[in-house]
Amino acid sequence: GAGVSQSPSNKVTEKGKDVELRCDPISGHTALYWYRQSLGQGLEFLIYFQGNSAPDKSGLPSDRFSAERTGGSVSTLTIQRTQQEDSAVYLCASSLGQGVNNSPLHFGNGTRLTVT
Amino acid sequence: AQSVTQLGSHVSVSEGALVLLRCNYSSSVPPYLFWYVQYPNQGLQLLLKYTTGATLVKGINGFEAEFKKSETSFHLTKPSAHMSDAAEYFCAVTPNFGNEKLTFGTGTRLTIIP
Repeated sequence: GAGVSQSPSNKVTEKGKDVELRCDPISGHTALYWYRQSLGQGLEFLIYFQGNSAPDKSGLPSDRFSAERTGGSVSTLTIQRTQQEDSAVYLCASSLGQGVNNSPLHFGNGTRLTVT
Repeated sequence: AQSVTQLGSHVSVSEGALVLLRCNYSSSVPPYLFWYVQYPNQGLQLLLKYTTGATLVKGINGFEAEFKKSETSFHLTKPSAHMSDAAEYFCAVTPNFGNEKLTFGTGTRLTIIP
């Protein structure tokens, strides 16, 4: 079946512009995660959605970052006024939402964001 | 707080040789531990996990890892490397009380020498 789909796969933007990154999770998965992977860094947690609960936004690095999940399915990560340090691969993952110990995360291929 | 350290950002082994990828964790509470693998042009996928019970866990493709509490380690091994094992491997940790945020290491890129 279809896996987690992210678009675009690559995005080059100028400093100061806003960008939107999209994630289509696996159908039926109630949990959705955004992670960021910068060069030489591990995966950095950004935000977590579970069903209709309030999202865990504790990993968002600044108020320029926001995310929403419409209808419990598709999610959009928005970065306003992009900075060069925002350059990274942004990964989306989804799971059945029964706890990370029971439900493995399924990752998309990521969006590579380059801010010039 | 939890953290993971993966020693060696790049590891090269000959085909047929032992694979050993190191992972040490820091956690103030009993952890759940995971290894994820990213094959070229694919998303990360779960390789194996330790939650409770047996400390030696087996995963896909012949990999296994042993949770050693005294050493705060969760090293990944495979007795005989195959060319298809070339990938990037990530160790991850989370507390064992329902925290949904996995903390990942920086990854180890495994190269297999023919």
